[in-house]
Amino acid sequence: QVQLVQSGSEVKKPGASVKVSCKASGYTFTTYAISWVRQAPGQGLEWMGSISAHNANTNYAQKFQDRVTLTTDTSTSTAYMEVRSLRSDDTAVYFCASYYRISYYYGLDVWGQGTTVTVSS
Amino acid sequence: ENVLTQSPGTLSLSPGERATLSCRASQGESNNYLAWYQQKPGQAPRLLIYGASTRATGVPDRFSGSGSGTDFTLTISRLEPEDFAVYYCQHYGSSPLYAFGQGTKVEIK
Repeated sequence: QVQLVQSGSEVKKPGASVKVSCKASGYTFTTYAISWVRQAPGQGLEWMGSISAHNANTNYAQKFQDRVTLTTDTSTSTAYMEVRSLRSDDTAVYFCASYYRISYYYGLDVWGQGTTVTVSS
Repeated sequence: ENVLTQSPGTLSLSPGERATLSCRASQGESNNYLAWYQQKPGQAPRLLIYGASTRATGVPDRFSGSGSGTDFTLTISRLEPEDFAVYYCQHYGSSPLYAFGQGTKVEIK
């Protein structure tokens, strides 16, 4: 079945970087885009950016444009999200998500399980 | 930037009651690229409704969506115990690509 499996929890110090992976299975990876959404503790969902697995075109939320890089590795059907210069308010659960049964403009119907990133000195 | 505002923040209801959740967009568009998600503690969001009114695969018919332009509604006709969760609306547009509302928590009264 269609699945997105993310890498495990991370604990980082302020100023460090973190790279989270999202491995897709059950569908042709290059057909779709992968989006990244984060959720701070007790807070709502926040879209960070999206990357086309077909041509690696990216679209970032303005807030994350300077500190976040999205990439893909089509040979392993894996998407990556790197956040640099981590701050305590980057502590959150990070989700990758995509669309499969619907068109990209209708929403995100496939989600990874989430990766907890904790930023603490 | 399109901002989505959900109301109420919290809805306290009993099983069997009807829940009505609202989502208002700051920018109205002719398309209906509005989706609703359900999220339970410790879980990823689950797509319920897309295109403002189409139920996603496997979603019970007690969930329905309506609205257009700037005002959208998610209705749960009769709350089941498993429906108590947080609900988010989301709109696809140019900036940001996927805008989410702040969420409505449906809790047991």
